[in-house]
Amino acid sequence: NAGVTQTPKFQVLKTGQSMTLQCAQDMNHNSMYWYRQDPGMGLRLIYYSASEGTTDKGEVPNGYNVSRLNKREFSLRLESAAPSQTSVYFCASSPLANLRNEQFFGPGTRLTVL
Amino acid sequence: AQKITQTQPGMFVQEKEAVTLDCTYDTSDPSYGLFWYKQPSSGEMIFLIYQGSYDQQNATEGRYSLNFQKARKSANLVISASQLGDSAMYFCAMREVNRDDKIIFGKGTRLHILP
Repeated sequence: NAGVTQTPKFQVLKTGQSMTLQCAQDMNHNSMYWYRQDPGMGLRLIYYSASEGTTDKGEVPNGYNVSRLNKREFSLRLESAAPSQTSVYFCASSPLANLRNEQFFGPGTRLTVL
Repeated sequence: AQKITQTQPGMFVQEKEAVTLDCTYDTSDPSYGLFWYKQPSSGEMIFLIYQGSYDQQNATEGRYSLNFQKARKSANLVISASQLGDSAMYFCAMREVNRDDKIIFGKGTRLHILP
């Protein structure tokens, strides 16, 4: 099992460019999440999806869109990248909604916006 | 609104000593779960321990234990007999199933273990 995979691992964009961060999990998990991690700010939730076909805004959704393409895949799109979106992005997944189920994280995508 | 607070940005602890990392949370939901994760310098997120709001006993996992004080909305992580390999960022997180499985994190505490 690959677990949670993210592509790309690194990306440099110019201000105004767009891109999509890909995330896939092979554990048949229902819930998927996108976080960004910035120094001193911890992990902040951007969007999440409790099941295929549903998505919800997290703490910092502005400037992002998501698609839950199917149960396996949850993509994050930056339509017009800004320097403030320079961050490390983590995707995570978790089994069917149960308080005890921990999240499984991908390795992260390091994004720099110039 | 949900909120997780970790008040210690950084801590220095001598090897073999016990260390307590603080976490307070705010929720109006009676049913929730609390998690602690470790993030070493390599960047991966490692699940450490879980505490449910209805659990009668404090959670323990090897050298990790959770000091859960529900009335104070506090869920502190205790690491006994610290090791050099414990140096890392530590995050507290909260899950409320009634919020469509939303999970939020605190800002983290960077722990340094001194030889």
